[in-house]
Amino acid sequence: GENVEQHPSTLSVQEGDSAVIKCTYSDSASNYFPWYKQELGKRPQLIIDIRSNVGEKKDQRIAVTLNKTAKHFSLHITETQPEDSAVYFCAATMGYNFNKFYFGSGTKLNVKP
Amino acid sequence: GAGVSQSPSNKVTEKGKDVELRCDPISGHTALYWYRQRLGQGLEFLIYFQGNSAPDKSGLPSDRFSAERTGESVSTLTIQRTQQEDSAVYLCASSLALAETIETQYFGPGTRLLVL
Repeated sequence: GENVEQHPSTLSVQEGDSAVIKCTYSDSASNYFPWYKQELGKRPQLIIDIRSNVGEKKDQRIAVTLNKTAKHFSLHITETQPEDSAVYFCAATMGYNFNKFYFGSGTKLNVKP
Repeated sequence: GAGVSQSPSNKVTEKGKDVELRCDPISGHTALYWYRQRLGQGLEFLIYFQGNSAPDKSGLPSDRFSAERTGESVSTLTIQRTQQEDSAVYLCASSLALAETIETQYFGPGTRLLVL
């Protein structure tokens, strides 16, 4: 089955620096890759997503890149702010079934003021 | 409009008891998902509903777990004879899930289950 690996498990950056979180997946049929942000004690919220026909997508300070050949995708946060501190999860659809997702194990991002 | 809601928000039960967790999706969302999140870990996919049907139940951890959905609305996740390893946050999500498209999943606040 699908396996989504996420690195690093924890990431600490200084406010204003960039943060990069990487995920790899194993199922070449996966075609949709969302990223979720989960603040402590709160529900996961979608922050950005990318589909397999696109290599890069950007939304203000957040961007996601996808390399289908290498089967990895990354989240980039620029000009980090303390409110970016949270756990970030990547996910990939299970093959062509866009109703089923495998999630990465999460990255705890700490932005130090 | 109202988001996904779940009840109870917290549940403490004794080992061996049955528990029922409820999810109310966003009105009009045809797809509904259940996930389990153990402390400090990622989300584990359990089951999803398209309408009232669950096409794939292979994510359920054991036969003690079951789920149903009625009226293309509320869903309940039932855990029978709870074990301590069932302790986790159970998250529900819903999406429009239109045919052949991928729609954003919106999560509920979760039910925190503690089995003593």
